[in-house]
Amino acid sequence: AQKITQTQPGMFVQEKEAVTLDCTYDTSDQSYGLFWYKQPSSGEMIFLIYQGSYDEQNATEGRYSLNFQKARKSANLVISASQLGDSAMYFCAMRGVYSGGGADGLTFGKGTHLIIQP
Amino acid sequence: DVKVTQSSRYLVKRTGEKVFLECVQDMDHENMFWYRQDPGLGLRLIYFSYDVKMKEKGDIPEGYSVSREKKERFSLILESASTNQTSMYLCASRTYDRPNTEAFFGQGTRLTVV
Repeated sequence: AQKITQTQPGMFVQEKEAVTLDCTYDTSDQSYGLFWYKQPSSGEMIFLIYQGSYDEQNATEGRYSLNFQKARKSANLVISASQLGDSAMYFCAMRGVYSGGGADGLTFGKGTHLIIQP
Repeated sequence: DVKVTQSSRYLVKRTGEKVFLECVQDMDHENMFWYRQDPGLGLRLIYFSYDVKMKEKGDIPEGYSVSREKKERFSLILESASTNQTSMYLCASRTYDRPNTEAFFGQGTRLTVV
């Protein structure tokens, strides 16, 4: 079974500061994928960044980067120069294989509520 | 742009009613998913489908069923709605081409069972 742990239920950060959102995971799979999603108050889930377990470099997408430490089983999201629009729920997720049929659902953490203060 | 559309944004139903939540995607994705989201619990997978008429149970399938008669449409069915099924329901779809492709989500249906 896979498990995602996000230990920060909520965070307050000053605008323009960098933010690190923690994510640790547990899996017995050798090959896996890690995702971060953002969910604003409007409710839609927005994909931010992906890291594969065999990727040698940490993933980056604009202001988002993923601090992947495989031995520690951690995949922290770093947001540089935070903006007011970054206020949202953030979910870490892991791709898993449920059956040989080809579909693979995501296992999600409980989320971190990030609030950016002016 | 990939679009995943859920038929209702808000829904209020009575206990015991049969409830249908509809989801349509326009990108010819093979895989479709239903999640429920509850405060403090994150998203939990209810059912998924990897092909027409194919379905697999997720982590919390009890009290739910699904239907996938066409590739673009995936329906979640609450046979007899109960108050503990009050929740936000999210549909997602994903292609099976590459393992690093993300799932695309609908806007969610907030269901209240009274």
